[in-house]
Amino acid sequence: EVQLVQSGAAVKKPGESLQISCKGSGYSFTAYWIGWVRQLPGKGLEWMGIIYPDDSDTRYSPSFEGQVTISADKSISTAYLQWSSLKASDTAIYYCARHLSGDWYMDHWGQGTLVTVSS
Amino acid sequence: DIQMTQSPSSLSASVGDRVTITCRASQNISKVLNWFQQKAGRAPKLLIYSQSNLQSGVPSRFSGSGSWTQFSLTINSLQPEDFAAYYCQQGYSSPYTFGQGTKLEIK
Repeated sequence: EVQLVQSGAAVKKPGESLQISCKGSGYSFTAYWIGWVRQLPGKGLEWMGIIYPDDSDTRYSPSFEGQVTISADKSISTAYLQWSSLKASDTAIYYCARHLSGDWYMDHWGQGTLVTVSS
Repeated sequence: DIQMTQSPSSLSASVGDRVTITCRASQNISKVLNWFQQKAGRAPKLLIYSQSNLQSGVPSRFSGSGSWTQFSLTINSLQPEDFAAYYCQQGYSSPYTFGQGTKLEIK
């Protein structure tokens, strides 16, 4: 069974750094792109970017490039989303999702990680 | 970026109704259009990929159609568990943008 398990909720202050994780199991982690989707409180879904764990090829949405870093450690089947300096506007739920290349749809999703940034 | 516009933004319907949600792309995306369902407090779930292909385990009352810039998701005979938010997403070119969502509520 394909599973993506994300790290737990985080509460941070503005300016702090954070890395959240997404561990894949039940499939060949290096054979699929994996990406991140943001959902602001009460709002819709925003596609942030993806990484191919086998060679770490990464693609970002222009809206998020330079704001976050997507990485992966294929030795432990885990993808990461990282901020170096959080803002209050980063408060959201972040989902990881496995992407099927070609038509680029997301067939399996993590449970979501709530990130709260507040002073 | 390709902009995806869904209509309506919200919709009230009754159990047993047939409903259609539309999604318009700002440019031609061929048939590279996917649909997701999200229930409150849950992760999104893939319903339909590549315009009309039903994801495994999704009931056959869900169907997708369209091409180029105009697409639709139809739900026949609404069931209580179908009341949720629905999102379209284009997989034609990066960034793989979503529509703003349609909230389907019980009348």
